[in-house]
Amino acid sequence: EAGVTQSPTHLIKTRGQQATLRCSPISGHTSVYWYQQALGLGLQFLLWYDEGEERNRGNFPPRFSGRQFPNYSSELNVNALELEDSALYLCASTVYGGEVSYEQYFGPGTRLTVT
Amino acid sequence: GQQLNQSPQSMFIQEGEDVSMNCTSSSIFNTWLWYKQDPGEGPVLLIALYKAGELTSNGRLTAQFGITRKDSFLNISASIPSDVGIYFCAGQPELYTGNQFYFGTGTSLTVIP
Repeated sequence: EAGVTQSPTHLIKTRGQQATLRCSPISGHTSVYWYQQALGLGLQFLLWYDEGEERNRGNFPPRFSGRQFPNYSSELNVNALELEDSALYLCASTVYGGEVSYEQYFGPGTRLTVT
Repeated sequence: GQQLNQSPQSMFIQEGEDVSMNCTSSSIFNTWLWYKQDPGEGPVLLIALYKAGELTSNGRLTAQFGITRKDSFLNISASIPSDVGIYFCAGQPELYTGNQFYFGTGTSLTVIP
C-alpha cells in the first residue's frame, strides 16, 4: 500500500513569491494535516482538512491557505513568502472517526527555501 | 495552547545500552503517539496508545500510556546505530480542540558504536 506522498521534494522561491505544495494521502484516508517544521524545531500545526472542508487551522497568518480536492489530495499555498517561511512542510493523513482521530501517517515532506 | 514537555532533549549512549524518554502534558490526553524522524525526512509512526496504562511493544521499542493520562514513556532496549534520530511524542487532548495533535519538542538520540 502506497504511503503519503508529497511534491515537490524541494522548492526554492524568492521573497514575495507564492509557493504551492501538494499532498496525496493514503488510500482510504479522508483527513489531511499540514505541519511546518523549521530547522531544529518541532512540528507546528498549520491546517486540517477533512472531506473537502477546512476543519481547523493553527496560529499562522492568512497567507497560509490550502484546499482539499474530491479525491482527498490536498494543496498548501503560501503567499507573499518571507524568509522565515523556510522550513520542511509535512503532510499527514489519517482516518477521522468523529471526535476521535486515529494515528497520523506522514509524508517525506517538502523542503521550502526562501531566498 | 497545550504544552508537551519531552525529555531528555538529547541523549548520547553506547551501542547496546537501553534508552528511556518521556513526555508530559498539562492536561489529560486520550491518545499518545511516538514517532522517529531521520534528518530531512518525515516522521515515522512507531507506536500508538489509546488507553491509560496501556503498554505496547514494537520490536525493541516499548511505550506506555501513563496512568494519570498526562504522560507517556518510550523505552528502547539494546540500542543499535540505526536507532539514531529524533524521537517525537504526540498527543490529542481529551478536551476536544478541533482534532489537533500536539507534538513534543523531540529527543535527539545518538548511538556510539
